[in-house]
Amino acid sequence: EAGVAQSPRYKIIEKRQSVAFWCNPISGHATLYWYQQILGQGPKLLIQFQNNGVVDDSQLPKDRFSAERLKGVDSTLKIQPAKLEDSAVYLCASRHQTDQETQYFGPGTRLLVL
Amino acid sequence: SQQGEEDPQALSIQEGENATMNCSYKTSINNLQWYRQNSGRGLVHLILIRSNEREKHSGRLRVTLDTSKKSSSLLITASRAADTASYFCATDAGGSGSRLTFGEGTQLTVNP
Repeated sequence: EAGVAQSPRYKIIEKRQSVAFWCNPISGHATLYWYQQILGQGPKLLIQFQNNGVVDDSQLPKDRFSAERLKGVDSTLKIQPAKLEDSAVYLCASRHQTDQETQYFGPGTRLLVL
Repeated sequence: SQQGEEDPQALSIQEGENATMNCSYKTSINNLQWYRQNSGRGLVHLILIRSNEREKHSGRLRVTLDTSKKSSSLLITASRAADTASYFCATDAGGSGSRLTFGEGTQLTVNP
């Protein structure tokens, strides 16, 4: 079974530029999560989708971050405009409907904002 | 402050020794999970313990949970150099969504 795929793996941009990350969850996984992990810290949930609907986006900085999962499969996370403090690893995870507890994580996208 | 705070922040041991990491949390939970993260890679689920369980084993891993003290520990026995990684506890408060709240992690280094 293929795991969670993310791209790109690395991205370097200048502040005020925009950037987008892509995630393809494990086939059949209805729930998808985006986390932000700043260096030296644990992951922090940004947004959670159930199929193509948002379940929780309470910690998403909506003035600059947006995410979508239009067809209930792939998802994109966008930052516009980026700030220096957005430098982090952005992790995508997915969970199957019948397994309410285990999340499977992708390798992450490492973002550096200069 | 963080839900899920690990201690120690860093731990260095020799191969063959046991490693113990602790996690404390603040609110009621449905379950607590431990994840491993190797340098530059994603998180790997290690083990889950539910709020009505006190101890769980998986291979060389042993997890305990004390809900009265809101704390958990992860013991890795007979450590190997390949166990070198960051270890995170994550709490799930239950309800819809299975939202995880991660701690800051313990960096474990196992010296050959």
